[in-house]
Amino acid sequence: GDSVTQMEGPVTLSEEAFLTINCTYTATGYPSLFWYVQYPGEGLQLLLKATKADDKGSNKGFEATYRKETTSFHLEKGSVQVSDSAVYFCALSAGDYKLSFGAGTTVTVRA
Amino acid sequence: DVKVTQSSRYLVKRTGEKVFLECVQDMDHENMFWYRQDPGLGLRLIYFSYDVKMKEKGDIPEGYSVSREKKERFSLILESASTNQTSMYLCASRTPEGIGNTIYFGEGSWLTVV
Repeated sequence: GDSVTQMEGPVTLSEEAFLTINCTYTATGYPSLFWYVQYPGEGLQLLLKATKADDKGSNKGFEATYRKETTSFHLEKGSVQVSDSAVYFCALSAGDYKLSFGAGTTVTVRA
Repeated sequence: DVKVTQSSRYLVKRTGEKVFLECVQDMDHENMFWYRQDPGLGLRLIYFSYDVKMKEKGDIPEGYSVSREKKERFSLILESASTNQTSMYLCASRTPEGIGNTIYFGEGSWLTVV
């Protein structure tokens, strides 16, 4: 079945550091890929998405490129801020109505 | 913007009580979902509904039921709450097929069963 594997956390960084969270997937067909972010005490917010191979999703300084050859959708940000502290979820939707989520990666950014 | 509203943010219920979690979306989406989120387990799908009065079991439906009488409202019901149902519950709705295929979440309902 469809599944997502993302880098385990927690990840702790200093402000202005570079952030990468790895995400790989297994799916039949051609899935859409997503990154969601969950700030403390809140629900999930869509951060970015990509619907086909080689698409790059971007938002709030975060980027992720849909790599079909490596079945990956790694999240990156060049210079993190304290406000980026959150849990990040990679997810895929493979043509049906469901999302398959990774386990989530907790990121803490220190001033 | 899509708005998914969960009416109860924090609830404390006793074992054996019947619990209703309500969710409303304002974008006329046909597909709606209930997930639960637990540390280390990520999000797990409980039930989803693809139209009014239509529902299907997700990955962990045991101990839960749902109701979808109107398109905008999707309710999760715990018929007899148990302590292992203490969790965060997330409602979501989905854009139509072919239009972004994106799921939007509510802010979550924290349920504690004592």
